[in-house]
Amino acid sequence: QKEVEQDPGPLSVPEGAIVSLNCTYSNSAFQYFMWYRQYSRKGPELLMYTYSSGNKEDGRFTAQVDKSSKYISLFIRDSQPSDSATYLCALSQGGSEKLVFGKGTKLTVNP
Amino acid sequence: EAGVAQSPRYKIIEKRQSVAFWCNPISGHATLYWYQQILGQGPKLLIQFQNNGVVDDSQLPKDRFSAERLKGVDSTLKIQPAKLEDSAVYLCASSSPGGSGRFEQYFGPGTRLTVT
Repeated sequence: QKEVEQDPGPLSVPEGAIVSLNCTYSNSAFQYFMWYRQYSRKGPELLMYTYSSGNKEDGRFTAQVDKSSKYISLFIRDSQPSDSATYLCALSQGGSEKLVFGKGTKLTVNP
Repeated sequence: EAGVAQSPRYKIIEKRQSVAFWCNPISGHATLYWYQQILGQGPKLLIQFQNNGVVDDSQLPKDRFSAERLKGVDSTLKIQPAKLEDSAVYLCASSSPGGSGRFEQYFGPGTRLTVT
């Protein structure tokens, strides 16, 4: 079983839709959870970072962590064509900066 | 604030040849990372530097890959000899150590390597 599992998609939605992206993980030592966005032919950029279980909101983006189920989610409200990108979850254990990335989910938002 | 710079952006070589990539991190960032991103995969950490010392190189194929960060600023990653399976995007990232900032890694645009 891989440390981090992420459905690669692709996922195609109409503009304005609510998008749900998910990752599961197997190692309970992961304590820090991040979502990165990667546009085509660019490096990833950090969208959101969270430590504890629960929700964290930033504009149209909400990150959700359920440590008991080892399940993390990113929700995008009122999706826009500019949100079209690959979304990568990344996890880290406490005391280490090492990030373990999921495969990424490719999202296309159609106008 | 200037971002992470990498060069070249693209490189095509034949197998068994050697290749080198260069990275200049964000000014003041002590921690530098090299990742390999194979098409359709997430980035995989190859090596992490703290200033000019190696923190983690557990996933670096040391028989063919080498990296250095002289003077704790710029870094180079070398592959010698290259194999077909080394075809990937090589990403450099940097961050400030300590606190929550250590998880915010800033990535460069990457070098796309094709080995034929």
